[in-house]
Amino acid sequence: EVQLVESGGGLVQPGGSLRLSCAASGFTVSSNYMSWVRQAPGKGLEWVSVIYSGGSTYYADSVKGRFTISRHNSKNTLYLQMNSLRAEDTAVYYCARVGGYYDSSGYYSPTWYFDLWGRGTLVTVSS
Amino acid sequence: SYVLTQPPSVSVAPGQTARITCGGNNIGSKSVHWYQQKPGQAPVLVVYDDSDRPSGIPERFSGSNSGNTATLTISRVEAGDEADYYCQVWDSSSDHPGVFGGGTKLTVL
Repeated sequence: EVQLVESGGGLVQPGGSLRLSCAASGFTVSSNYMSWVRQAPGKGLEWVSVIYSGGSTYYADSVKGRFTISRHNSKNTLYLQMNSLRAEDTAVYYCARVGGYYDSSGYYSPTWYFDLWGRGTLVTVSS
Repeated sequence: SYVLTQPPSVSVAPGQTARITCGGNNIGSKSVHWYQQKPGQAPVLVVYDDSDRPSGIPERFSGSNSGNTATLTISRVEAGDEADYYCQVWDSSSDHPGVFGGGTKLTVL
């Protein structure tokens, strides 16, 4: 079954750190573009970060310099290392796959929409 | 950075047509994707590339995109369509390319 399962959320004090994990099954994380999207309580979706199959990474301004996206190829797992956490980082964090496909030449074309989501993991930053 | 603007709420009676807009500068030049999110659940893609539907999404869901406005149209609205809807684009020229609209709460009267 193709799915994403997040873990690692919890309660952390302001200034603290947390690492989220997203275990994938049914497809290869390193062959796809993978993102983190978060949703603060009662608020809308906010894109957080993306890692491309080639390894390039991008971040929202709100987390740049504090969060790091990475992946472990043999574990087929995506990570989000979150440092210097603030109260405003409190949210459900979703792992999401950016859709894409490889053509007959092996060239990867992303579709730029999120075609697979995990169920999310809640991060609460509070003293 | 690129900004997408949605109305906070839209209300419609069952059986009627709901239209949810997503405004952005020259958004017609971008591909717009739409997600439905029900309480306590992860978002679900309902329209991609302006007007295409993933398998399993009813034909009642359709989309259009031109100029500065993209629109998600839900025909013959049902009680089960009540949810939050988000538009999304990918701004490849930006250092922070993922962009979501603020979301629209669809209420079925």
